[in-house]
Amino acid sequence: NAGVTQTPKFQVLKTGQSMTLQCAQDMNHNSMYWYRQDPGMGLRLIYYSASEGTTDKGEVPNGYNVSRLNKREFSLRLESAAPSQTSVYFCASSEITARNSPLHFGNGTRLTVT
Amino acid sequence: AQSVTQPDIHITVSEGASLELRCNYSYGATPYLFWYVQSPGQGLQLLLKYFSGDTLVQGIKGFEAEFKRSQSSFNLRKPSVHWSDAAEYFCAVAPLGQGGKLIFGQGTELSVKP
Repeated sequence: NAGVTQTPKFQVLKTGQSMTLQCAQDMNHNSMYWYRQDPGMGLRLIYYSASEGTTDKGEVPNGYNVSRLNKREFSLRLESAAPSQTSVYFCASSEITARNSPLHFGNGTRLTVT
Repeated sequence: AQSVTQPDIHITVSEGASLELRCNYSYGATPYLFWYVQSPGQGLQLLLKYFSGDTLVQGIKGFEAEFKRSQSSFNLRKPSVHWSDAAEYFCAVAPLGQGGKLIFGQGTELSVKP
C-alpha cells in the first residue's frame, strides 16, 4: 500500500530553471494538497485541489502553478525557480475536503535552488 | 486570525521519562485539532485528532492529548518515551469553512537521551 508517492526525493536547481514535482495517491481520495516546510515555520499550504478538475490557492501560492491531472495525480510546477523556493515540499491527500478528514502525507521532495 | 503556537522549538528528554509537548491555538469556534509526527526523512504521520466529545484523546504509539478550552491548549503527552520517539512533532488546527486545509504550528523537535 503505497499511499502518497512523491517524485523526485531530491532536486537541485539553478535560479531561473523550471521543474515539476509529481505526486500520486492510490487511496481513491478526492482532495489533494501541496505544502512547503521551512525551518521554524511549520508547513504552509501552497495550493490544493478539493476534487478532480478544481484547484485553489493556499497561503503561499506565488511562484507556483498546479495541475490536477486526474483523481490520482496532482503536480506542482516552478516556472522560474528562486532561492526563496528552497524548501521541503509535501504532497498530501484526504478523502474529502472537510475538517474531519485527516491528511495523509508523502515523504517529501527536498529542493535546493542555488 | 487563526494560529497555532508550539512554544518549545526543541526538547530533550531521557529515555523512559515522561513527555509533554505544548500546543496553544487561537481560534474562535470549536477547533478541530491534530497532532502529527515527522520522523527524519519521512512525511507526516497522524498521531491523534480531536473533534468533539471526550477531551482526552488516545492516539497511536502510546500518545495521548488533552483538549482544554479554557486554556486554548491541546498538549501531547506520553508516559514513557522510547528512543524511537525522537522526531519532530506538529500541532495543527482545521478552521471551520476551509475544508481540509490545516494551519500548522512551528513544530517541536524531540531528542531522546539514552
